[in-house]
Amino acid sequence: AQSVTQLGSHVSVSEGALVLLRCNYSSSVPPYLFWYVQYPNQGLQLLLKYTTGATLVKGINGFEAEFKKSETSFHLTKPSAHMSDAAEYFCAVSESGGGADGLTFGKGTHLIIQP
Amino acid sequence: DAGVIQSPRHEVTEMGQEVTLRCKPISGHNSLFWYRQTMMRGLELLIYFNNNVPIDDSGMPEDRFSAKMPNASFSTLKIQPSEPRDSAVYFCASSFETGRPYEQYFGPGTRLTVT
Repeated sequence: AQSVTQLGSHVSVSEGALVLLRCNYSSSVPPYLFWYVQYPNQGLQLLLKYTTGATLVKGINGFEAEFKKSETSFHLTKPSAHMSDAAEYFCAVSESGGGADGLTFGKGTHLIIQP
Repeated sequence: DAGVIQSPRHEVTEMGQEVTLRCKPISGHNSLFWYRQTMMRGLELLIYFNNNVPIDDSGMPEDRFSAKMPNASFSTLKIQPSEPRDSAVYFCASSFETGRPYEQYFGPGTRLTVT
């Protein structure tokens, strides 16, 4: 069975500082990996996804993530944090990637941006 | 495109009452997912449909929960009878499975409070 672990339920960074949100996964097959963002009282919005090919994936709002198979990781980064980045971030895994099953989510990381 | 539409956005009901949550997926999408979000358990997949057919309902917590998708543009999630522990935010998501890695588009959610 697939699973996702997000290290740190809360992460606080200063505005302009590097953002690093950690995600490790477990999957019996090559996974499809996703990062979603949730703003207060809203649904989830896809930030980026890894399917196959290039292991460094760029997404919206300046975020990127790198798939590292040897470390079973898919950490999310952004070089310079903005106040508008404050939100809840979820890492998710799918083993089919073709719409044949739902997503398994991590518990989420609440990103706090200090002015 | 209007996105995934969920109704109601908020529902407050008393224990024992029947609750019906509604979802209209994005036009042309052929997969639909119901998720539940709570503080304790995070985001959990309840059930998903492909081409209006339920594929996996193993995430449905109890027989009190049921879901239907009578046509490609409408789905319901029903709880009967409702209990306080059912209080959560329920999300509907849809996707288009074309044999390529997919993206799920989430609705704004229904916040259910059972007193």
